[in-house]
Amino acid sequence: DVKVTQSSRYLVKRTGEKVFLECVQDMDHENMFWYRQDPGLGLRLIYFSYDVKMKEKGDIPEGYSVSREKKERFSLILESASTNQTSMYLCASSGQGAEADTQYFGPGTRLTVL
Amino acid sequence: RKEVEQDPGPFNVPEGATVAFNCTYSNSASQSFFWYRQDCRKEPKLLMSVYSSGNEDGRFTAQLNRASQYISLLIRDSKLSDSATYLCVVNYGQNFVFGPGTRLSVLP
Repeated sequence: DVKVTQSSRYLVKRTGEKVFLECVQDMDHENMFWYRQDPGLGLRLIYFSYDVKMKEKGDIPEGYSVSREKKERFSLILESASTNQTSMYLCASSGQGAEADTQYFGPGTRLTVL
Repeated sequence: RKEVEQDPGPFNVPEGATVAFNCTYSNSASQSFFWYRQDCRKEPKLLMSVYSSGNEDGRFTAQLNRASQYISLLIRDSKLSDSATYLCVVNYGQNFVFGPGTRLSVLP
């Protein structure tokens, strides 16, 4: 079974803090994704990566950056957290070819920025 | 206009009922289509892929209409355990676009 883990289930931070969200997958997947999920808006893609050290902007990259130094780990960074970044953050991974069609999600991190 | 649109519901149906959800997408270049299921406070999980010829998996049937750019999901003989949010997902290239989801509550 594919396992995608995220470093925290719940996180509370203050405005202006630097926040790191970590995601690790154990299936040697090439592709990794960060989404945020908000009521009524669904999942929105922040960044994705299809290889180590590669990153691509998604639909809402502003205020975020990412790091992929190792294949199994994809980090999301909020350089200076703001209240409008309060959300559920979901990491996902997928393989290549036919396996690229299925995304496996981590349990999510619910971030509250005060 | 949103890329993927769904009726948010909720759909409240009795056990044993048949329920259908539709989803429309705006990008005609979309290549792959899926239904994901998301339980309350859980992560989304793939329910089924949607093929042009339509496909069935037990009580679940998915259909794709490329000409009209919509996808449907039919659930027969609803169970209490089917209560969840159903996400329509459209893929082109490496980009997955999720709909906002349709909430289903199956009532005893």
